[in-house]
Amino acid sequence: GQQLNQSPQSMFIQEGEDVSMNCTSSSIFNTWLWYKQDPGEGPVLLIALYKAGELTSNGRLTAQFGITRKDSFLNISASIPSDVGIYFCAARGSGNTPLVFGKGTRLSVIA
Amino acid sequence: DAGVIQSPRHEVTEMGQEVTLRCKPISGHNSLFWYRQTMMRGLELLIYFNNNVPIDDSGMPEDRFSAKMPNASFSTLKIQPSEPRDSAVYFCASSTTNYGYTFGSGTRLTVV
Repeated sequence: GQQLNQSPQSMFIQEGEDVSMNCTSSSIFNTWLWYKQDPGEGPVLLIALYKAGELTSNGRLTAQFGITRKDSFLNISASIPSDVGIYFCAARGSGNTPLVFGKGTRLSVIA
Repeated sequence: DAGVIQSPRHEVTEMGQEVTLRCKPISGHNSLFWYRQTMMRGLELLIYFNNNVPIDDSGMPEDRFSAKMPNASFSTLKIQPSEPRDSAVYFCASSTTNYGYTFGSGTRLTVV
């Protein structure tokens, strides 16, 4: 089946540092999304990307839909303590097929 | 909008008991998904519905698991009989066609 390889699995960074995480696949996708999960809650949508090459920002977050349609990255600039959580990439192929999720990147921010 | 509502938030039950998890999707969303999250396996899609019709239940682990969506505003996931390895966080999510999902807060199930 389709799989998303998300890396890194976990990160420990100092407050104020920039963060970068990515997702790759051997399959082509038409939509890429990034979610964040806070402890005890469900994942919340951060950014959605619908076009190859698209670069989208949401505050300190920037994500790109890879030109090959097989990858995406998420950058967080100037990290703050509330950025702590698990970040998931997700992608969808054609039609109304379900999203495929990566295994997540667990981010810890040291104040 | 209240978002996707799941109940209960926490459930502790004894092995062999029946467990029913409930979900109310966002009004107007035509797709509903049940996921299970564990540390080892991450987010696993169990089953999803489009317009109240089950489309793919290939992720349901065994016959002990069943899901229903009797109407557009309610779905249940039932485990009978429950086993300790079913312990996990179960999420319900809903969406409109081709958009991202909105997740509920999840039900943390512990089977002892």
